[in-house]
Amino acid sequence: EVQLVESGGGLVKPGGSLRLSCAASGFTFSNAWMSWVRQAPGKGLEWVGRIKSKTDGGTTDYAAPVKGRFTISRDDSKNTLYLQMNSLKTEDTAVYYCATDRESYDSSGYYYYYFDYWGQGTLVTVSS
Amino acid sequence: SYELTQPPSVSVSPGQTASITCSGDKLGDKYASWYQQKPGQSPVLVIYQDSKRPSGIPERFSGSNSGNTATLTISGTQAMDEADYYCQAWDISTGVVFGGGTKLTVL
Repeated sequence: EVQLVESGGGLVKPGGSLRLSCAASGFTFSNAWMSWVRQAPGKGLEWVGRIKSKTDGGTTDYAAPVKGRFTISRDDSKNTLYLQMNSLKTEDTAVYYCATDRESYDSSGYYYYYFDYWGQGTLVTVSS
Repeated sequence: SYELTQPPSVSVSPGQTASITCSGDKLGDKYASWYQQKPGQSPVLVIYQDSKRPSGIPERFSGSNSGNTATLTISGTQAMDEADYYCQAWDISTGVVFGGGTKLTVL
């Protein structure tokens, strides 16, 4: 059974930093592309960024609002995904979910990308 | 940047068919996915690659995508289907894009 368990959320002041963790089990983590998705209170889902597997280059991509402030990393030896958040703003207040990415090209050459498993989320509150 | 637009709310009577739309420029040229989120819970994938259902998702959930609109259809809607639903696609310039979400009310 796939399990994703986030931790590390809490209250932080504007301008501060926080590191979230996502412990994965039930699948081969080292082969997986992983994403962070957040949800502000009462709002919709917003993709934060992703990290590819090391065999696919281990590169990262970020949404515009967090680029340059957030960093996604992974430790395959610990089956753990991380989100380092710096220069936090009040608008970063949200529940942060980690999720497993599924992406590829179909037989017709069309690209698909979706999230098949999600963690329970961890709340980050940025407030003075 | 690429955007997906959903109606804020949809209402349906129990046993009837609910349709939730998701609009975006040439969305039919991309693959759409749909997620169900009940209050206080994490999102759950209900449709991927426009019309495929993950294991464990009831057959009453179906999807289609053509032109500028993807549609999630719930046939024989049950009270347990009351939730927020989000569409999602990938855009080469923007990356992952989610729609704003639709609150489905089963009256």
